[in-house]
Amino acid sequence: GAVVSQHPSRVICKSGTSVKIECRSLDFQATTMFWYRQFPKQSLMLMATSNEGSKATYEQGVEKDKFLINHASLTLSTLTVTSAHPEDSSFYICSASGSYETQYFGPGTRLLVL
Amino acid sequence: EDKVVQSPLSLVVHEGDTVTLNCSYEVTNFRSLLWYKQEKKAPTFLFMLTSSGIEKKSGRLSSILDKKELFSILNITATQTGDSAVYLCAVEANFGNEKLTFGTGTRLTIIP
Repeated sequence: GAVVSQHPSRVICKSGTSVKIECRSLDFQATTMFWYRQFPKQSLMLMATSNEGSKATYEQGVEKDKFLINHASLTLSTLTVTSAHPEDSSFYICSASGSYETQYFGPGTRLLVL
Repeated sequence: EDKVVQSPLSLVVHEGDTVTLNCSYEVTNFRSLLWYKQEKKAPTFLFMLTSSGIEKKSGRLSSILDKKELFSILNITATQTGDSAVYLCAVEANFGNEKLTFGTGTRLTIIP
């Protein structure tokens, strides 16, 4: 199956700093990438959908200035959590899909903001 | 608003038992229903269902979709401790590259 990687897998940062998470599709071209957030023992919540070369579409309640998404190429999308605070601590998962294909998930990034 | 409800929320059974997990949904312009298994990290794909009444099978796991009654079940027979995980159901709307709406998941624990 298709492989999606995320980097880093785990990050600890101080409150007020920005953190960038990368999502890469390793063996296919991802026309669309999705970013999810998961709190402990809860389901995945979609944050935003990004298509290569265009602005991301954010779900209701997700601050676009706080969670910057860039999808500059067909194999790379980045999520930047700006001025992170402890309440941003969570598990962030990306997924990628080609044309009319199912989504393939990355392994996730655990963010801890101190 | 699209909605996915899974039941039960948690389930504890003994190894060797058979379990049935339920997923009901309300979605505009349904395209497909997907089942995922989530252990420690990101979900891994199990099944995609698009047509009613056609059972998908993979080893001890099987799943079927009822588009009239708007639900799906995931069966696991002869359960093993390695089946312990959270099982997520998600629905996809429209055609291609549309967002997934996830249910809350069923936490399955298999006791040796």
